[in-house]
Amino acid sequence: DAKTTQPTSMDCAEGRAANLPCNHSTISGNEYVYWYRQIHSQGPQYIIHGLKNNETNEMASLIITEDRKSSTLILPHATLRDTAVYYCIVRKGNQGGKLIFGQGTELSVKP
Amino acid sequence: GAVVSQHPSWVICKSGTSVKIECRSLDFQATTMFWYRQFPKQSLMLMATSNEGSKATYEQGVEKDKFLINHASLTLSTLTVTSAHPEDSSFYICSAEREYEQYFGPGTRLTVT
Repeated sequence: DAKTTQPTSMDCAEGRAANLPCNHSTISGNEYVYWYRQIHSQGPQYIIHGLKNNETNEMASLIITEDRKSSTLILPHATLRDTAVYYCIVRKGNQGGKLIFGQGTELSVKP
Repeated sequence: GAVVSQHPSWVICKSGTSVKIECRSLDFQATTMFWYRQFPKQSLMLMATSNEGSKATYEQGVEKDKFLINHASLTLSTLTVTSAHPEDSSFYICSAEREYEQYFGPGTRLTVT
């Protein structure tokens, strides 16, 4: 599976949009981009995933560049409860199998 | 739907003893479950893939005789840390796979004294 690169940490003001970038320049054509987050001392929580089209659900939006080498997770109105480590993971779709977690981005939402 | 539980949520044991951690898929059946370990300020590290009715597949560097995994039913996988030592103190997280997606448990905090 392709490797991802994320900033180590980011801050965001409460109520503002949080934009979390991820680089995955070696992604292959059948690999999806997944985002999970982990609130302190809890198990990871699935957020969203996509292949090449932009995706939106009740939690976030995922914007994938046309060349698919990078993506951005957008939390439209960040709250204090969104403070967590966000992981961007690339994996083959519709095959299951293990997830390899990188270091992720520690997002701090501040009042 | 897709709820995964772990038991216990935290455990303290003495060095040299064994500890069993359970991972259950509450509302679905999971042929495959995964076990991760996470040290403070670090990311999750995959330890092994647990398949119902067969032997687990361990990641490189993970001692299979120390971390015993049993996946005896479609809703339960167990991880037993044998002869635990202080360096085994960590946060252990399981996940269960359903329709190619993984759903994570809340984790188990193990402290070995």
